[in-house]
Order: sequence, then C-alpha cells, then structure tokens
Amino acid sequence: AQSVTQLDSQVPVFEEAPVELRCNYSSSVSVYLFWYVQYPNQGLQLLLKYLSGSTLVESINGFEAEFNKSQTSFHLRKPSVHISDTAEYFCAVSSPFGIIFGKGTRLHILP
Amino acid sequence: GAGVSQSPSNKVTEKGKDVELRCDPISGHTALYWYRQSLGQGLEFLIYFQGNSAPDKSGLPSDRFSAERTGGSVSTLTIQRTQQEDSAVYLCASSLEGPRRSGNTIYFGEGSWLTVV
Repeated sequence: AQSVTQLDSQVPVFEEAPVELRCNYSSSVSVYLFWYVQYPNQGLQLLLKYLSGSTLVESINGFEAEFNKSQTSFHLRKPSVHISDTAEYFCAVSSPFGIIFGKGTRLHILP
Repeated sequence: GAGVSQSPSNKVTEKGKDVELRCDPISGHTALYWYRQSLGQGLEFLIYFQGNSAPDKSGLPSDRFSAERTGGSVSTLTIQRTQQEDSAVYLCASSLEGPRRSGNTIYFGEGSWLTVV
C-alpha cells in the first residue's frame, strides 16, 4: 500500500524568506509524485509533478521539488516566498493502485 | 464548461436525511475520483471510476456511502442517513486516463460543502 506523510500541518514564514514543505511517501512500486495547491476559497490545482527523468522539477511560480528515491521524499521548496503563496499544499502519490494525498501543509506568510 | 463541475456547491441537511452530490467531469476524461476533505484530515480518497470498469470502492467509509457513474460521464455520490461526522467538503476530480496508465494530472472541481445539522 502507498501512503504520504506531510510532517508539518502548518508552516509560518516571513515574506521573502525561503521555505521547505516536507513530504515523505511509502510505496512498494514505482510512483509518480505531485504537489497540489489550494489557495483560499479556491479548488485544488496542480503545482508540479515528477514522472521520470530529472529528479528536480519546477513550477512556473518559483517552487521546485526534488525526488529523492533513497529517502523516499519529495520536499517542496521556494527560495523567496510572497504573500500570494499563502495556501494549503498537498503532496500526492500516484501508483497503479490509485492517487493518495497527504493531510496538507498550510503555508502562512508573515509580513 | 471546461472544468469539473459539482453541484450543489453548498448543502445543509438534517441528520438522518439522504443527500446526493453530483459531479460532471471534464469531457473526454475516463477517470473520475471522489475525495472528502475535512478539517485536519486532509484529502480522504473515497472512490475511483475508470471508464466502464467496476469502481474501486475501497475508500468508502461505510455502507451508507455509494456512488455511481452513468454512461462513463456524470457521477453521483449518495450518502444515506447522514450523520454529523459526514460534514465535509466532497471533492470530485477527473483525469484523461487513470493512475494505472501513467501519472496523469487530475483536475478538481470546486467541491460540495455538506453540513449535517
């Protein structure tokens, strides 16, 4: 069975500071990994995904995530956050058995 | 429309009543998913439909929950004899192909907010 663990339910960070949102997964088969974002009062939307190839994937708004197979991690990072990044972020794993989400991490940007 | 459409967007019901939630996926998408989002619980997988195949019901929390997908398109999630713990946002999503095929992006609807009083 697959599972996804997001270690932090909330992460406060000052504007323009770097941030890392942690995600670990467990799976006995090859997986695809995703980060979805839910902005306040909006639906979930894809931020970035890892399917194969380069282990570092980037989004159009400055986020990046690195697939680390040995550590079974897919942490999300941004070198400098903006107030507009305030949202809940969900890590997800897709395998032949389905798509499983973590419990989410709320990113609070402090002025 | 171009996205996943869900109705109703908000529903308040009395404990013990049945409710039906509807999802209209993106045209051409073969896979359809239902999730439940509760405060502090993240996204809980409920059920998954792939084309005309029998659905994966492994995530349904009890036998009060059921879902069907007619003609491989529109889906209805039914909750019978609702309880207060059923209060949550019910999210529908669809993808062009299912997870068995490849790591397809899934697209979510805005959700149906259910409150059981």
